[in-house]
Amino acid sequence: EEQLVESGGGLVQPGGSLRLSCEGSGFTFSSYGLNWVRQAPGKGLEWLTYISSGSSTIFYADSVKGRFTISRDNAKNSLYLQMNSLRDEDTAVYYCAREYNYGSGFNYWGQGTLVTVSS
Amino acid sequence: QTVVTQEPSLSVSPGGTVTLTCGLSSGSVSTRNYPSWYQQTPGQAPRTLIYTTNTRSTGVPDRFSGSIFGNKAALTIRGAQADDESVYYCVLYMGSGIRVFGGGTRLTVL
Repeated sequence: EEQLVESGGGLVQPGGSLRLSCEGSGFTFSSYGLNWVRQAPGKGLEWLTYISSGSSTIFYADSVKGRFTISRDNAKNSLYLQMNSLRDEDTAVYYCAREYNYGSGFNYWGQGTLVTVSS
Repeated sequence: QTVVTQEPSLSVSPGGTVTLTCGLSSGSVSTRNYPSWYQQTPGQAPRTLIYTTNTRSTGVPDRFSGSIFGNKAALTIRGAQADDESVYYCVLYMGSGIRVFGGGTRLTVL
């Protein structure tokens, strides 16, 4: 069964940092592009960032550019999101999502991990 | 900045057919935007319904179909059931690596 499992969420103070992880299983992790998507409480979904299968191509939404960094370790079947300079408005459930093909949409999702930014 | 537009809310009768749309504040949606559709119920992760305009994700019943309708992407649900009551999101690929979600459509089955 193809699966993505996020971890690393929690409570962090404004201005702080947090690193999220997403571990894939049941598929050839190194063959797929991956994304992070978030959802603030009571709000819609927001795409944040994409990384290609070999990490050669990375894109960010303007809302997180310069503060968040996506990376992956294919040997560990793991995707990461390093989040710095966190703000109250970064409070959300963060999902990792796998793309079928580049730009084609997301065909598998993790269950999400909650990040709360609060003093 | 281009915004992806969706109806905020729609309703459908049980057994009926409803079409949700996904448009652009400026311009037309085409297959080059690779429209995709997701269903989400409260407290759950999104579930993929459709990707690359009209490809159903594994396990999605053929009551759900995707298309381009006029200048928008469309998700049509036939034979609506009570458990179709959810929020539905579309995503468009905008080029230059950017993906953008629509604001979501809350579908009521009544």
